[in-house]
Amino acid sequence: DVKVTQSSRYLVKRTGEKVFLECVQDMDHENMFWYRQDPGLGLRLIYFSYDVKMKEKGDIPEGYSVSREKKERFSLILESASTNQTSMYLCASSSPAAGHEKLFFGSGTQLSVL
Amino acid sequence: GESVGLHLPTLSVQEGDNSIINCAYSNSASDYFIWYKQESGKGPQFIIDIRSNMDKRQGQRVTVLLNKTVKHLSLQIAATQPGDSAVYFCAEISMDSSYKLIFGSGTRLLVRP
Repeated sequence: DVKVTQSSRYLVKRTGEKVFLECVQDMDHENMFWYRQDPGLGLRLIYFSYDVKMKEKGDIPEGYSVSREKKERFSLILESASTNQTSMYLCASSSPAAGHEKLFFGSGTQLSVL
Repeated sequence: GESVGLHLPTLSVQEGDNSIINCAYSNSASDYFIWYKQESGKGPQFIIDIRSNMDKRQGQRVTVLLNKTVKHLSLQIAATQPGDSAVYFCAEISMDSSYKLIFGSGTRLLVRP
């Protein structure tokens, strides 16, 4: 089974802090994604990557950046956390071989910015 | 987590009954549709998918129906069980959106014992 592991289940940070959310997948998937999930808004795509050192903006990239130095790891960075970034963050991966569209998700990181 | 369920439309069904969860999608050019299930405290899990050249697809206890005329997708769950309680999301994808999934806002399914 594909496993997508997010490093933290819960995080509490202060406004202005730099925050790193880490995601690792063990199935050699080319594609990795970061979403945020908010009540009533569903899942919104922040950034995605189709290859190492490659990144593309999703629908809501403002206030975020990403890093993909290794194929299995995709990091989401909040340069200066703000309260409106309090959310559930979900990492996902997929492979063209299995279908770009079949995303495998991690369990999520609930981030609270105070 | 639990916060996902807030503000969502909710469907309550009796254990053993059939459930029908509906979704209206936005892009008439979408090629492919997926249903995901999200249990409390977990990330979404793939359930079933359907391509735009089909109007019905069956899985184990689940059936997805696609009506392209009215841009409507439904997920039918037969003999609903307590383990089916979750939030269900539909998602659509099209080639012209660089294969990015667009998710609906979700429906919460509650199964009464």
